[in-house]
Amino acid sequence: AQSVTQLDSHVSVSEGTPVLLRCNYSSSYSPSLFWYVQHPNKGLQLLLKYTSAATLVKGINGFEAEFKKSETSFHLTKPSAHMSDAAEYFCVVRISGGSYIPTFGRGTSLIVHP
Amino acid sequence: DGGITQSPKYLFRKEGQNVTLSCEQNLNHDAMYWYRQDPGQGLRLIYYSQIVNDFQKGDIAEGYSVSREKKESFPLTVTSAQKNPTAFYLCASSTRTGLNQPQHFGDGTRLSIL
Repeated sequence: AQSVTQLDSHVSVSEGTPVLLRCNYSSSYSPSLFWYVQHPNKGLQLLLKYTSAATLVKGINGFEAEFKKSETSFHLTKPSAHMSDAAEYFCVVRISGGSYIPTFGRGTSLIVHP
Repeated sequence: DGGITQSPKYLFRKEGQNVTLSCEQNLNHDAMYWYRQDPGQGLRLIYYSQIVNDFQKGDIAEGYSVSREKKESFPLTVTSAQKNPTAFYLCASSTRTGLNQPQHFGDGTRLSIL
């Protein structure tokens, strides 16, 4: 079985300050992990993915995430928030075996203040 | 460019009416998915298909039906049995067995009741 928990439903930051969006997962097997971003009334866009190579993964738009097996975490960070980063962010886990159906977190809404 | 096209962008349903949402992809992906998105609830899986002429129920299939007659197309019908259809519907596709391959998403259809 697999599950994913996004620890914050909303995160509020000021423009130019760091961003931290938290994600914990549960998986019986080695997982693949993904972060997606969704802007209003749009589909989801892939930010980055972890697939058992380097534990620090760099994505688009200056985002990165670190896979920590001991903490079962895959937190998303960005050194300096931009107004255009305001969106909904989803953490997703996928495991081998079975049907490969991804499991989504409930999302974190990032609010960026000027 | 390859991608997923959902249509229409907005759809209105009358009482007792069935409506069909279109999803077409030209990514040559085997697997396709339908999700329902409600505020604060993340994405919930309605149906998925991993190969032509085969599909499986997701977590909230009641009141919905699908078909997969062509690799490129995976239409979703919202039937009159679905009593609360107002939501944002997202279609996605992926390779069937690639654990580390992400899903690609369309831009969604917003369905409302008249």
